Amino acid sequence: TQLLEQSPQFLSIQEGENLTVYCNSSSVFSSLQWYRQEPGEGPVLLVTVVTGGEVKKLKRLTFQFGDARKDSSLHITAAQPGDTGLYLCAGVAGGYNKLIFGAGTRLAVHP
Amino acid sequence: EPEVTQTPSHQVTQMGQEVILHCVPISNHLYFYWYRQILGQKVEFLVSFYNNEISEKSEIFDDQFSVERPDGSNFTLKIRSTKLEDSAMYFCASSSVGREGEFFGPGTRLTVL
Repeated sequence: TQLLEQSPQFLSIQEGENLTVYCNSSSVFSSLQWYRQEPGEGPVLLVTVVTGGEVKKLKRLTFQFGDARKDSSLHITAAQPGDTGLYLCAGVAGGYNKLIFGAGTRLAVHP
Repeated sequence: EPEVTQTPSHQVTQMGQEVILHCVPISNHLYFYWYRQILGQKVEFLVSFYNNEISEKSEIFDDQFSVERPDGSNFTLKIRSTKLEDSAMYFCASSSVGREGEFFGPGTRLTVL
């Protein structure tokens, strides 16, 4: 059974700080996606990483896929209150047409 | 920007009743999915659908569940005889290429009494 563990579970920081959240597994994934979910809404796709070692940037957000394709990180630079939300990672294991989700990191950025 | 839509937004039903949840995926997408999220828990995969057939399903997706694409735009999830433990948010998703990013709808909150 493939599992994705996200850490930390909760993160509370001040506006302007940098942060990194992690998504780890003992399984290899053919691709990994990061989503953001607001309460009562569906996950919104932020990025997909496919190649081991791949780095993608989305404004102040930097996503990295581990070389072995077992882990990923999301780094936010100069966090803003608008970044507040639940960040989910989800992976596709090779040969399977489904997403396996982590439990998420709940981020609160205070002004 | 194209988006996945779902109806109804909230469905309340009695245990043992049948429910049908409706989804309109993004129009040029080829892969369709249903996921569910029980309150406070992880998003869980239910089923994926491609080329008019189920390509994968989870252990949750038992004989009480079925999916259909009755026309070129709709994608439905039917639960034949609902149980209390079926209460959850049900999300439909679609993608243009498998494993390259799925786009989720806003969800249907199903409450089974």
